[in-house]
Amino acid sequence: KAGVTQTPRYLIKTRGQQVTLSCSPISGHRSVSWYQQTPGQGLQFLFEYFSETQRNKGNFPGRFSGRQFSNSRSEMNVSTLELGDSALYLCASSLQGPGTQYFGPGTRLLVL
Amino acid sequence: AQKITQTQPGMFVQEKEAVTLDCTYDTSDPSYGLFWYKQPSSGEMIFLIYQGSYDQQNATEGRYSLNFQKARKSANLVISASQLGDSAMYFCAMRGHASGGSYIPTFGRGTSLIVHP
Repeated sequence: KAGVTQTPRYLIKTRGQQVTLSCSPISGHRSVSWYQQTPGQGLQFLFEYFSETQRNKGNFPGRFSGRQFSNSRSEMNVSTLELGDSALYLCASSLQGPGTQYFGPGTRLLVL
Repeated sequence: AQKITQTQPGMFVQEKEAVTLDCTYDTSDPSYGLFWYKQPSSGEMIFLIYQGSYDQQNATEGRYSLNFQKARKSANLVISASQLGDSAMYFCAMRGHASGGSYIPTFGRGTSLIVHP
């Protein structure tokens, strides 16, 4: 079974731009969660989608948004990028929700 | 509020020896799950082991075992017979109930493990 895939793997953007990251979960997994990882803040939960609905949300500003499609693929969007948004963005999928999450390789975003 | 504490920023171990990575947690929820993940320098988080709060026995997965002491709220990871490929960051995580009945995951700050030949 293929693992979680994320595209792109690397991104360089400038302040003020927006970015969209994509995540394809493991086949059959319906829950997709997004995390931001930085050296200063560690791993922080952004949000979780289940059956195309946002089920949980972390403490991030509204510039961070996401969606999930009927095939469980998910996208995360960050608008009006700031330097502090530079991070590794990880996507994780699980069968339903509270179970074990399996992570993708991440997208490294650099904001200049 | 949930909290995960990993007090060891860095650990060193000799190849083939065992090592224990500490994790303590805090939650008021009676139902929760505890996880350990490994993150090599490549960045991908690799699931290692899971322990449910109602599980009577400690979880084991190959060379990994979880020393679960519920009363002390600790969930230490034990790696037996360390290998050079075990060098990585290790994260302890918990998923419990947030207010309203949803599951919010919390991660510790991680422990960097270096295995010496």
